[in-house]
Amino acid sequence: NAGVMQNPRHLVRRRGQEARLRCSPMKGHSHVYWYRQLPEEGLKFMVYLQKENIIDESGMPKERFSAEFPKEGPSILRIQQVVRGDSAAYFCASSPRLAEETQYFGPGTRLLVL
Amino acid sequence: AQKVTQAQTEISVVEKEDVTLDCVYETRDTTYYLFWYKQPPSGELVFLIRRNSFDEQNEISGRYSWNFQKSTSSFNFTITASQVVDSAVYFCALSEVIQGAQKLVFGQGTRLTINP
Repeated sequence: NAGVMQNPRHLVRRRGQEARLRCSPMKGHSHVYWYRQLPEEGLKFMVYLQKENIIDESGMPKERFSAEFPKEGPSILRIQQVVRGDSAAYFCASSPRLAEETQYFGPGTRLLVL
Repeated sequence: AQKVTQAQTEISVVEKEDVTLDCVYETRDTTYYLFWYKQPPSGELVFLIRRNSFDEQNEISGRYSWNFQKSTSSFNFTITASQVVDSAVYFCALSEVIQGAQKLVFGQGTRLTINP
């Protein structure tokens, strides 16, 4: 029973490039959450998605960041024109249903912007 | 707004000592969930426990135990007879449910080092 999968585990980009982070939820889970962990800080909520729908993106920066969870395939967090301040660990979590369910996290993608 | 405070930034103990990690939370919700996650040096987040706001029973799982007290808004985590493999950053989190979306609000984490 595979857990939440994220790839790549490490990603290096130069300023101005695009970063694409992928997340495959646990089998049977239809809810995906993205969190960002800046160095030496706790995790901060970014966005919550269900299949083909963004439910809550209140934690997402207004510019350059977007997320999707298509009917087929993994959820994608996309960062355009990356800047050094985007360097962080990005974690994806999934849950089977809504509020009462535990969120299980993937191993994270560590983004480094040079 | 909801908030989680882990006042202990770093704790260092010698192996076999007991250690307690504090977690204090703020919420206006009557129904909420509290969590502890472990982040070992390898970086992944490992789920440890979820506690419902209506269930104040203490929980024990092997060397781990949790003390939930609504009166003081605390959800503390104790490791008994600590081991080197317990070294990690531990996060306490509170669920916030707004319009069907559950967000976790995390504390800053406590870095626990167990020395041999």
